[in-house]
Amino acid sequence: DVKVTQSSRYLVKRTGEKVFLECVQDMDHENMFWYRQDPGLGLRLIYFSYDVKMKEKGDIPEGYSVSREKKERFSLILESASTNQTSMYLCASSLSGFDYTFGSGTRLTVV
Amino acid sequence: AQTVTQSQPEMSVQEAETVTLSCTYDTSENNYYLFWYKQPPSRQMILVIRQEAYKQQNATENRFSVNFQKAAKSFSLKISDSQLGDTAMYFCAFIGAGSYQLTFGKGTKLSVIP
Repeated sequence: DVKVTQSSRYLVKRTGEKVFLECVQDMDHENMFWYRQDPGLGLRLIYFSYDVKMKEKGDIPEGYSVSREKKERFSLILESASTNQTSMYLCASSLSGFDYTFGSGTRLTVV
Repeated sequence: AQTVTQSQPEMSVQEAETVTLSCTYDTSENNYYLFWYKQPPSRQMILVIRQEAYKQQNATENRFSVNFQKAAKSFSLKISDSQLGDTAMYFCAFIGAGSYQLTFGKGTKLSVIP
């Protein structure tokens, strides 16, 4: 089975800190995604990548950037964390559109 | 742009009973795929069922089945013989053929009551 691993399950950071959320997949998937999940809002796409060093903005990219230097790793970066970025962050990967595999999420709290 | 609407933020059902979760969507595409995902308290998103828009037959997976009405753009999930392990958030999702981006609804929190 494809596995998507997010490096942290819970994270607490201070306002203004630079934050890295790491995601690794082990099945050679081309596509990787970062979603943000908030109660009552569902999952919203922040960024996705369809190849190494390639990235596309999703619906809510403001305040975030991403890095994909290797095929298996996709990092989400909060350049200067703010309290409104407190949320659950889900990483996913897919080969096609029908085989999304999700990580277990990182619950980020910015204080 | 596609939109997915789940009109029931929360639902509850007695164990062993049947429950239906609603989902409507809006798209101008003719070829697409629809999904129901389950997210239990463990937070792991699990694919429950998938429907290809070109297939008229409704998808079924054990106790889970869908009622896909393409003209009405409706895609409801029926859970039969509800079990305590079905307690979770359920998300309806859409993807256009040739696209890689899933669009999600806001979710329905289902509680199965013993």
